[in-house]
Amino acid sequence: QSALTQPASVSGSPGQSITISCTGTSSDIGGYNYVSWYQQHPGKAPKLMIYAVSNRPSGVSNRFSGSKSGNTASLTISGLQAGDEADYYCTSYTSSDTWVFGGGTKLTVL
Amino acid sequence: EVQLVESGGGLVQPGGSLKLSCAASGFTFSVAAMHWVRQASGRGLEWVGRITNKANNYATTYAVSVKGRFTISRDDSRNTAYLQMNSLKPEDTAVYYCTRQGIAAEVDYWGQGALVTVSS
Repeated sequence: QSALTQPASVSGSPGQSITISCTGTSSDIGGYNYVSWYQQHPGKAPKLMIYAVSNRPSGVSNRFSGSKSGNTASLTISGLQAGDEADYYCTSYTSSDTWVFGGGTKLTVL
Repeated sequence: EVQLVESGGGLVQPGGSLKLSCAASGFTFSVAAMHWVRQASGRGLEWVGRITNKANNYATTYAVSVKGRFTISRDDSRNTAYLQMNSLKPEDTAVYYCTRQGIAAEVDYWGQGALVTVSS
């Protein structure tokens, strides 16, 4: 199972919006609405930000939103803040009854 | 409050074995599916495997990279999940996270991680 494809890095200024893409295949992202997104700050465990493509867990800011079109999922962060600077990972359930992560995207807030 | 606490990490020689434990609290452990995820230093997250609950026959599934070498098990009476790692390779060196599966195949809670170093 190959890793999902994410851009290595994205950047934006405070207050702006950014979108991180996550591309897979019809055997993972395209076949199931089981895409989730995680935020990881250096030295910390990952934190769930989005599940089931577009759902936010309790306590996650509504500045974070998720979507999916075909084999590509996206995470959008609006109103960028300094604290959003972190690594972001997508993951999907697959037709092999396994899970696969993306390679991760480093978000820099300029 | 959901808590997952890993233990058992350490230094092991190539070809050796190690068993990680994950003590769970703050939720009904017996009904939850549990996953292990690892992260090598400076690298991304890699899914390792999952075990379901009793109602789903404690079914396990693994990443290709560890299949046949790693085994996930659980003891619901102790609220503990385990990761038995055999035939360890240097590329297995990573922080290993115990995680809980949520309602829609996501992993919603993570432990603090246990460092496993495979080196001679």
